[in-house]
Amino acid sequence: EAQVTQNPRYLITVTGKKLTVTCSQNMNHEYMSWYRQDPGLGLRQIYYSMNVEVTDKGDVPEGYKVSRKEKRNFPLILESPSPNQTSLYFCASSLGGLLYNEQFFGPGTRLTVL
Amino acid sequence: KQEVTQIPAALSVPEGENLVLNCSFTDSAIYNLQWFRQDPGKGLTSLLLIQSSQREQTSGRLNASLDKSSGRSTLYIAASQPGDSATYLCAVTSGSRLTFGEGTQLTVNP
Repeated sequence: EAQVTQNPRYLITVTGKKLTVTCSQNMNHEYMSWYRQDPGLGLRQIYYSMNVEVTDKGDVPEGYKVSRKEKRNFPLILESPSPNQTSLYFCASSLGGLLYNEQFFGPGTRLTVL
Repeated sequence: KQEVTQIPAALSVPEGENLVLNCSFTDSAIYNLQWFRQDPGKGLTSLLLIQSSQREQTSGRLNASLDKSSGRSTLYIAASQPGDSATYLCAVTSGSRLTFGEGTQLTVNP
């Protein structure tokens, strides 16, 4: 089944403890991205990647890192999480670039930073 | 900077009614517009993708239109059902970014 998977689905952590949220797609998509969703602010893009070893900042990149060493994986890294990073996170992918193609979303990761 | 607005923020209708959700965007230089559905606590499911050169797309009971020059899109849902209850989001692609509206929360009452 074609899908985008994220792990973990739920995570409660404490301030400053480094964490990684994994994202994997099995559709051979070039484009992958991360979003966070907050009440009253909607979905905002954190980082995106056009292909392997090509990443760029979205609208809210502060406090996050990403890497794209393999085409299928695009992990989101929080080196020193803070409470303002408590949010619902989504990974997405699309064939080719963003310009013409449908975006496929993962199920989301609900992160709470205490 | 692209801004996307969806009106209304919430809508409650009786089953069987036809309804229209609205989406507007400030920068008409878009590549495409996509409508998504989000169920509580779940991810986003793509419903329809309209390229900038297209005027509308249809899938089953759903019809989406795009008027790029006026910065508007509508999602028409025919013969609504309780299973249509969800939040509907529109998103536009401009530059290298996908910008979302905040969504319309739809409730269809049996």
